[in-house]
Formats: sequence, C-alpha cells, structure tokens
Amino acid sequence: DGGITQSPKYLFRKEGQNVTLSCEQNLNHDAMYWYRQDPGQGLRLIYYSQIVNDFQKGDIAEGYSVSREKKESFPLTVTSAQKNPTAFYLCASKSPGAGELFFGEGSRLTVL
Amino acid sequence: EDKVVQSPLSLVVHEGDTVTLNCSYEVTNFRSLLWYKQEKKAPTFLFMLTSSGIEKKSGRLSSILDKKELFSILNITATQTGDSAVYLCAVVPNTGNQFYFGTGTSLTVIP
Repeated sequence: DGGITQSPKYLFRKEGQNVTLSCEQNLNHDAMYWYRQDPGQGLRLIYYSQIVNDFQKGDIAEGYSVSREKKESFPLTVTSAQKNPTAFYLCASKSPGAGELFFGEGSRLTVL
Repeated sequence: EDKVVQSPLSLVVHEGDTVTLNCSYEVTNFRSLLWYKQEKKAPTFLFMLTSSGIEKKSGRLSSILDKKELFSILNITATQTGDSAVYLCAVVPNTGNQFYFGTGTSLTVIP
C-alpha cells in the first residue's frame, strides 16, 4: 500500500544525544515536510524539501538538520542543540500541484 | 505575518449535537484552505477549499469558505463518539510550498 512510514514510533534519548527520525514515502511525491506538534499548539514547520538534494528551513529549524539524498527518504536529526526536543514529530509529503499533505503516523520523542 | 486562528480551542458535546468549528486566516495571496482530522497520530485529510470550490460536503461533515471575510467553518451534524478528535485547519499561499496550521480544535463527543 502507498503511504508514509515513520520510525521509530517511540524514542527515548538522554540529554546531549543526537537522534535521527526516519521518514520514507512510496507515493512518488516530490515535496516532503517535517512538523513538530506540542500539546495545545498546532503543527510547526521544521524543514521542507521540494526536490532531491534541496531543502529549506521552516519556522523552528534551530537544533534540527535534514538531508534529502533520495526522493523517497527525508530523515530528520534532532541534535543536542535543540533545547526542548520532547515532542511529537510528523512527516508529510505533498501531492503535485495544489494538493493536500499526506502524513505519517508520527514519532514521539522523549528526552530523559 | 501569515496567521491561522481556530476557535474554539476545545468543545464537549453530546452525541447527536451539531457543532461548528471556525478557522480564520490572514495569508498573503491565498491559494487554498484544508481541514484535517487527527484522532491519535496521523492527521487525515477531510476537505480542501479554493476559490473555485468554496463549499464541500461529505456525509455529516460540510465546510464552507468565505474568501471575503477570510474564514472557513467546518460543520458536523448528528455527532458520534467517533467524531472525537482534534480538527486542524491549514492555509496554503500561492507559492504552494508551505502549509500554515492553526492550533486545532479538540472535539469530545460524549454518549
């Protein structure tokens, strides 16, 4: 089935450690996005990529990094520079034109 | 600065009630407005409204877009417990690259 797969679903990390969240899609979408969701807040854009080997910062990119080496994959690294990384992270891809976003199931990161 | 505001933040109703969720926006060069339902994890797409499609309906859910007054409403009639979720509104400007989300409305339907 076509869709977006995020892994891991749950992740615990100690302060000072980097962690990478995986996002893979088989929808053949060019555009991919990473959002962060905190309780009582909407989705905030971290990074997005319109095409392979190109990506742009969103509103809250500090402390995060991404890569887009393949069309299907858009991993997000949460670095130790991110001051408050505990959150729910959603990856999405966009259908062509003025299409809607398709979301993965999310990854919940907890920093101990 | 582009902005999307949803109201109310939360809502508790009884099964069978009708609810109206609001989304107002300030976006430069509006292209489309989207509604999503988020139950536990992944938001699922409900409707997309554009200049050429300002009213959508699917079963008990319907939505309209008022481009003049810059808002949209999502109506749910005869609510069921399965409608309990967070409903998110997102607006897309003409660049088509970014989606600006509101904080969402948390709906709880009690039996």
